[in-house]
Amino acid sequence: KNEVEQSPQNLTAQEGEFITINCSYSVGISALHWLQQHPGGGIVSLFMLSSGKKKHGRLIATINIQEKHSSLHITASHPRDSAVYICAVKFGNEKLTFGTGTRLTIIP
Amino acid sequence: EPEVTQTPSHQVTQMGQEVILRCVPISNHLYFYWYRQILGQKVEFLVSFYNNEISEKSEIFDDQFSVERPDGSNFTLKIRSTKLEDSAMYFCASRKTRDEQFFGPGTRLTVL
Repeated sequence: KNEVEQSPQNLTAQEGEFITINCSYSVGISALHWLQQHPGGGIVSLFMLSSGKKKHGRLIATINIQEKHSSLHITASHPRDSAVYICAVKFGNEKLTFGTGTRLTIIP
Repeated sequence: EPEVTQTPSHQVTQMGQEVILRCVPISNHLYFYWYRQILGQKVEFLVSFYNNEISEKSEIFDDQFSVERPDGSNFTLKIRSTKLEDSAMYFCASRKTRDEQFFGPGTRLTVL
């Protein structure tokens, strides 16, 4: 069965802390997405990965294909980073399978 | 910067009524998607659309659902006879080729 698991479900941290959110999946994939969902509900695509590492500003995403695992890191976290972060995986053709999300709260 | 737009932002309907949710994907994109998110649950794939036909659909996308790209710019999701359990946020997304998907802001559908 094609499954995506994220951890932790909830994460609260102080402003400035280094944040790591994890995503594991059950079988081989063609691509993995990291998405950000704000309280209003809108979804923003942060990264799409099929191997290696990508960086955009304070955000870094890595993927280990052999271990079927990806991480999203946020350096120097800020209250505006507070959101739900979602891992979504493409196992085959077009369908994305989504994780349940990690609710991140950064306290000033 | 180009973006995916969706209308309406909130739709309230009576059970059994037909609804059409509208999306305008980014203009040079080729692949189009609908997703839904029931309140408090994870996002679920409904359907993908390419070259004027459905390329993949989930088990949720039954005969009550249909999609159309009627005029080369709009991409619509029709629910023929809404049920209470269709209440959800519906997201449209589009992408060019091998790129990431761009999501619209969503339409919140409430079925009474």
